Amino acid sequence: QKEVEQNSGPLSVPEGAIASLNCTYSDRGSQSFFWYRQYSGKSPELIMFIYSNGDKEDGRFTAQLNKASQYVSLLIRDSQPSDSATYLCAVGTGAGSYQLTFGKGTKLSVIP
Amino acid sequence: EAEVAQSPRYKITEKSQAVAFWCDPISGHATLYWYRQILGQGPELLVQFQDESVVDDSQLPKDRFSAERLKGVDSTLKIQPAELGDSAMYLCASSGGPASWANVLTFGAGSRLTVL
Repeated sequence: QKEVEQNSGPLSVPEGAIASLNCTYSDRGSQSFFWYRQYSGKSPELIMFIYSNGDKEDGRFTAQLNKASQYVSLLIRDSQPSDSATYLCAVGTGAGSYQLTFGKGTKLSVIP
Repeated sequence: EAEVAQSPRYKITEKSQAVAFWCDPISGHATLYWYRQILGQGPELLVQFQDESVVDDSQLPKDRFSAERLKGVDSTLKIQPAELGDSAMYLCASSGGPASWANVLTFGAGSRLTVL
């Protein structure tokens, strides 16, 4: 059973701070990793994906991947109240990694 | 911007009734997925199609759930009979862009089912 684990939170950070979201996965053969944001009552929307070890930056978001430790994280710099949402970590599994296994999500609250 | 269309957005039904959800993926996307998301949980894959063929339906409760994608474009997910535990958001997603985005899933708005 391929598993993706996330702290359920809630994680509360003050506005302007750095929010750090973490995720571990069980399938050592996984090759692709995704972060989705989900506002309450809405569907998931893609924030970033990362395939290689190291950091990948996109605006205020940085994804970090360590395949040896089977660990992926998402940093949100200068957190804004609009960042308050549930963040879902997803790992590509199956043939060609064309199937995503999701964690339960971490709920982030950014306090003004 | 291309979108995945889903309908209905909301459905309330009584247990033992039949329910159907429809999904139209982004044009040209060969892979279509149905996920179920129970409140407070992450999405769980029910079925994956590649064109009109089922790639994976190992987590689909086949005694009551069925899914089809007859012409390899839009898809229907059916539940009959519905049970109280089926209350959830049913998410359709598609993928199939350029190679570097081939496994990036784009989700529709979802269909929220409430079974009374």
